Amino acid sequence: EIVMTQSPATLSVSPGERATLSCRASQSVSSNLAWYQQKPGQAPRLLIYGASTRATGIPARFSGSGSGTEFTLTISSLQSEDFAVYYCQQYNNWPPGAFGGGTKVEIK
Amino acid sequence: EVQLVESGGGLVQPGGSLRLSCAASGFTFSSYWMSWVRQAPGKGLEWVANIKQDGSEKYYVDSVKGRFTISRDNAKNSLYLQMNSLRAEDTAVYYCARARRVFPGWYFDLWGRGTLVTVSS
Repeated sequence: EIVMTQSPATLSVSPGERATLSCRASQSVSSNLAWYQQKPGQAPRLLIYGASTRATGIPARFSGSGSGTEFTLTISSLQSEDFAVYYCQQYNNWPPGAFGGGTKVEIK
Repeated sequence: EVQLVESGGGLVQPGGSLRLSCAASGFTFSSYWMSWVRQAPGKGLEWVANIKQDGSEKYYVDSVKGRFTISRDNAKNSLYLQMNSLRAEDTAVYYCARARRVFPGWYFDLWGRGTLVTVSS
């Protein structure tokens, strides 16, 4: 079973700064990786699939990169609405399509 | 508006049963795989079950096999999760999600707001 590890657990960033979130797979997942954003009390929202393709309606400040076992989600200039928890999810091996433990992006 | 709305959560005793529902609108429900994903309090996300467009294929996480049953009614644009023999560890917010198939797995491109299931005596 593939284990997804996200780092850091918490990232403190000032508005307007760049945020870089990491996701590592215990074995290769090719480019079959998605990123989600979840705000308190809300449902998750798909940001990125295929490691680097933005979902419909997602602003260009969100970008994904990587393949194999190392992936990165970059938010180029943090807006107030971007403070949330971010999860990665692999779908190259199923079941169970593991999610990472999440990275909380908080205001510095 | 494209949306998913869950219902049916609540407090249930260990060993009890509950049936969750999810009403879909704004898209052609019968064209998509559908899923349930859960989130225990303060924890991360866990996929629970998937069902194919016509209901002919169903998949479950090991921890719920034999206890949970996913089903759908395309005429009613609805997804269901029948949960039996509930355990304390099933306590979570249960999300209905639209699933996009990229063999051999799925990612989830539309989520509902969730319904809370609490298993406690």
